[in-house]
Amino acid sequence: AQSVTQLDSQVPVFEEAPVELRCNYSSSVSVYLFWYVQYPNQGLQLLLKYLSGSTLVKGINGFEAEFNKSQTSFHLRKPSVHISDTAEYFCAVRAQGGSEKLVFGKGTKLTVNP
Amino acid sequence: NAGVTQTPKFQVLKTGQSMTLQCAQDMNHEYMSWYRQDPGMGLRLIHYSVGAGITDQGEVPNGYNVSRSTTEDFPLRLLSAAPSQTSVYFCASSTTGNQPQHFGDGTRLSIL
Repeated sequence: AQSVTQLDSQVPVFEEAPVELRCNYSSSVSVYLFWYVQYPNQGLQLLLKYLSGSTLVKGINGFEAEFNKSQTSFHLRKPSVHISDTAEYFCAVRAQGGSEKLVFGKGTKLTVNP
Repeated sequence: NAGVTQTPKFQVLKTGQSMTLQCAQDMNHEYMSWYRQDPGMGLRLIHYSVGAGITDQGEVPNGYNVSRSTTEDFPLRLLSAAPSQTSVYFCASSTTGNQPQHFGDGTRLSIL
């Protein structure tokens, strides 16, 4: 079975500052990794995904994430955040070659202050 | 292309009432799933389906039933609503393999 730990439940930052949202996973098999964003009162949108290949993945809205197999991590980064990035961010994992079931972390609320 | 459509968007029920949350997708996706989202808990899988006629339990299936008679629709039934089922419910779909899931906008359910 897979599990996901998002190490910070809340991250406050100032506008134009860099941000890193941390995600660690546990799995006995190879996995696919995803980051989703949820704006207030909305559903989830895919930010980026790691399937295979390059460990640095670029997504929408200037976000990127790096897959580190040895540390079982998939941290999300943005070099300069905007007020509009205020949202909740979810890391998710799915086993390769097995069930399509997606396991989510508990989420990190990013608040960008002026 | 509507994607994943959930109805209703909001619902208030009394304890013991039954209701069905509707989910429809127009992308011909084989895989569909239901999640509930509670504060500080992330999204937890209730039930899922890998194709018409095939369903299976997720992490928190108790109190919920599903069926999948067509590729497009995957309704979630609450047989006897309880206050612990107050939550936001999301339906999602995807093709099989490594493709990401597409989510609906959610149904906010309150049970009094």
